[in-house]
Amino acid sequence: GENVEQHPSTLSVQEGDSAVIKCTYSDSASNYFPWYKQELGKRPQLIIDIRSNVGEKKDQRIAVTLNKTAKHFSLHITETQPEDSAVYFCAASFGFGNEKLTFGTGTRLTIIP
Amino acid sequence: NAGVTQTPKFRVLKTGQSMTLLCAQDMNHEYMYWYRQDPGMGLRLIHYSVGEGTTAKGEVPDGYNVSRLKKQNFLLGLESAAPSQTSVYFCAGRSGGHNEQFFGPGTRLTVL
Repeated sequence: GENVEQHPSTLSVQEGDSAVIKCTYSDSASNYFPWYKQELGKRPQLIIDIRSNVGEKKDQRIAVTLNKTAKHFSLHITETQPEDSAVYFCAASFGFGNEKLTFGTGTRLTIIP
Repeated sequence: NAGVTQTPKFRVLKTGQSMTLLCAQDMNHEYMYWYRQDPGMGLRLIHYSVGEGTTAKGEVPDGYNVSRLKKQNFLLGLESAAPSQTSVYFCAGRSGGHNEQFFGPGTRLTVL
């Protein structure tokens, strides 16, 4: 199966600064890489995703980059705001039709006002 | 349009008791998934279904069974609960041709 490693496990940044979370995966057949945000006591929600035929994707203050050769992908949040405080999970697809996801262990991001 | 819902929200069981968690969706999802979430371990796939009447094992299936008799419902059963099954359980669904998984609100289960 797929194995996804995520770092760091906790991250604190000053409001307005940037945050970067990194993940590596093991299965070269993986072709879909989503990022989920989970606020305290809530369900995980997709914030951005990328497919393996794209190297970078942006959505306002959030961007994801993918390096297929090195098998790693990263989440970048710029101009951080207090509402960005949450746990972030990366994931990679695997399986016959890439129908399953393996999740990283999560990064708790805290924005310091 | 309720999306993905889960019943119950909270449950406390004694070791050896059984229970069923219900996941329901009105988004016409072909695929449905059951995950468990434990501190520091992310979300781990228990079982999943690629369509009505089908089920398959995920990463941590032992001690759980599932059924998908109707497309809109995916049931997770614990036949004989153990303290190691104390966790938050999330159901998710996704449509064929789309990658995004939509999660339910979760069920917090405690086994004493």
